[in-house]
Amino acid sequence: EAGVAQSPRYKIIEKRQSVAFWCNPISGHATLYWYQQILGQGPKLLIQFQNNGVVDDSQLPKDRFSAERLKGVDSTLKIQPAKLEDSAVYLCASSLASGPNYGYTFGSGTRLTVV
Amino acid sequence: KQEVTQIPAALSVPEGENLVLNCSFTDSAIYNLQWFRQDPGKGLTSLLLIQSSQREQTSGRLNASLDKSSGRSTLYIAASQPGDSATYLCAVRRAPGSQGNLIFGKGTKLSVKP
Repeated sequence: EAGVAQSPRYKIIEKRQSVAFWCNPISGHATLYWYQQILGQGPKLLIQFQNNGVVDDSQLPKDRFSAERLKGVDSTLKIQPAKLEDSAVYLCASSLASGPNYGYTFGSGTRLTVV
Repeated sequence: KQEVTQIPAALSVPEGENLVLNCSFTDSAIYNLQWFRQDPGKGLTSLLLIQSSQREQTSGRLNASLDKSSGRSTLYIAASQPGDSATYLCAVRRAPGSQGNLIFGKGTKLSVKP
């Protein structure tokens, strides 16, 4: 099966600019996750979708970050305006369903550098 | 609040050596624990998953153990190879009733020298 697709692979922007990342999960996977991985850290969950509804966005900085999953398939994560501390790898993952019995498949990530 | 710690942060070994990576977690109320591998510029690849009722899982040269009561897990790599060089991440999943997200450690960066 095809994996989780993410684009772009790399992005360099200046602070205060906006940026958007795109994720296409594995076909049929109802649950989609966005993780932020700062250099030298483990990934941290930003938001979890079940179909097109938000399940958990408790760690999403909502003043600057937004995400949507229209039609319950593809998802976009947006940052506006970006700060230097947003430099990180943004990982998208999907699973067949939510809950701890279902495994995750991760995409290759988008590496964001804010200068 | 669940916290996951991995020691050491980095490890360099000669090829052929057996090695152990350590992971500890503060809240023993976990559903399972996973070990992932991350290569530079790549996503995460799941290596082994241990359910909370299990003590260990094996896959090829990899063996992961879990001592839930003490909040510890180890990943044992036998006869290490240069291709094993990567960052290894440990992640715990919270108990049923919680949402299914993973709590990750910071990882151990492994370098296997030829």
